[in-house]
Amino acid sequence: NAGVMQNPRHLVRRRGQEARLRCSPMKGHSHVYWYRQLPEEGLKFMVYLQKENIIDESGMPKERFSAEFPKEGPSILRIQQVVRGDSAAYFCASSDRGLPYEQYFGPGTRLTVT
Amino acid sequence: GENVEQHPSTLSVQEGDSAVIKCTYSDSASNYFPWYKQELGKRPQLIIDIRSNVGEKKDQRIAVTLNKTAKHFSLHITETQPEDSAVYFCAAVGSGAGSYQLTFGKGTKLSVIP
Repeated sequence: NAGVMQNPRHLVRRRGQEARLRCSPMKGHSHVYWYRQLPEEGLKFMVYLQKENIIDESGMPKERFSAEFPKEGPSILRIQQVVRGDSAAYFCASSDRGLPYEQYFGPGTRLTVT
Repeated sequence: GENVEQHPSTLSVQEGDSAVIKCTYSDSASNYFPWYKQELGKRPQLIIDIRSNVGEKKDQRIAVTLNKTAKHFSLHITETQPEDSAVYFCAAVGSGAGSYQLTFGKGTKLSVIP
């Protein structure tokens, strides 16, 4: 029973490039959450998606960031025209029932912008 | 929106002693309070959670208490072991528009000294 999968685990991008982060939820989970973690800080909510729907994107910057969770395939967090301030660890979590029930986290993608 | 404060930011205890981490929250309608453990470079792992209809929950050496009147909840680890060393995060679910997201504290770095 595989847990939440994320890839790539490490991603290096130059300023101005695009970053695509992928998240495959646990089997049977249809709720996906994305979080950002800066060094020495807690996790900040970005976006909550169910299959083919964005439910809450209030934590995601309106420019350059987008997320999707298609009917088939993983959830994607896309960051266009990356800047140095986007360097962080990005975690996704999945759940079978949404809040207030358990969320399980993936191993994260560590994005470095040079 | 929900605001979660966590104290202390760092905590050192001798092996075998107890550790207590405290969190306060702002939204009186919050109803779900998980605790996560994160080892260096790893994913956050859910270790225990509590819902607002109970005041205490235990799982072996770990317990969580909730005081809804004071809007605070605490993590208690007894008989600490070196493998308990990690960063611990508390979180809370808000209400209304915030009911789709977890708000995290900034974390407590626990060091258990052998």
